[in-house]
Amino acid sequence: EAGVTQFPSHSVIEKGQTVTLRCDPISGHDNLYWYRRVMGKEIKFLLHFVKESKQDESGMPNNRFLAERTGGTYSTLKVQPAELEDSGVYFCASTRQGLGTGELFFGEGSRLTVL
Amino acid sequence: GNSVTQMEGPVTLSEEAFLTINCTYTATGYPSLFWYVQYPGEGLQLLLKATKADDKGSNKGFEATYRKETTSFHLEKGSVQVSDSAVYFCALSPPGTASKLTFGTGTRLQVTL
Repeated sequence: EAGVTQFPSHSVIEKGQTVTLRCDPISGHDNLYWYRRVMGKEIKFLLHFVKESKQDESGMPNNRFLAERTGGTYSTLKVQPAELEDSGVYFCASTRQGLGTGELFFGEGSRLTVL
Repeated sequence: GNSVTQMEGPVTLSEEAFLTINCTYTATGYPSLFWYVQYPGEGLQLLLKATKADDKGSNKGFEATYRKETTSFHLEKGSVQVSDSAVYFCALSPPGTASKLTFGTGTRLQVTL
């Protein structure tokens, strides 16, 4: 069974540009999460999808961030326009509905560097 | 709000040394507690968990006990191996909130021969 895959693994862009990160969850996992780790700090929750619906987007930092999950399969996270403080590693995670609390399956992360 | 505090790294140990990584938390009620591990080039993996006070989670020789009185969930291993070199994250999930995790900052462990 394939794990959670994320693309790109690393993106370097200039301030003001746009970047789109993609996450393919494990097949059959209805729950999809985005988290972010800014340099040396804790991993912070961004949002949670159940299928194609946003269940909780309380962690999204501002309206420059847009997450979608059309069709309830893969998800994209777009940052437009990117700012320096957006640099970090963006993790995607998934879990099947009803799986034990906290047992998330994570991807390797997409590292974003904004210059 | 909820928070997790874990010891600063990096932690450097010789193979077969004893490992402790401290983790304390702040949360209302009885959260579930977790240790996740990220090996080089891989995603985070659940290492162990405990869902109620005095529970002990264990896996791959690692253990952690849910201590409500000290709000702690320290990670221990009696004899580390080079293959244990990774970043370890302590995390909590508040009761009734499914899998919305609050993480600590992570502790890098480097084990040498």
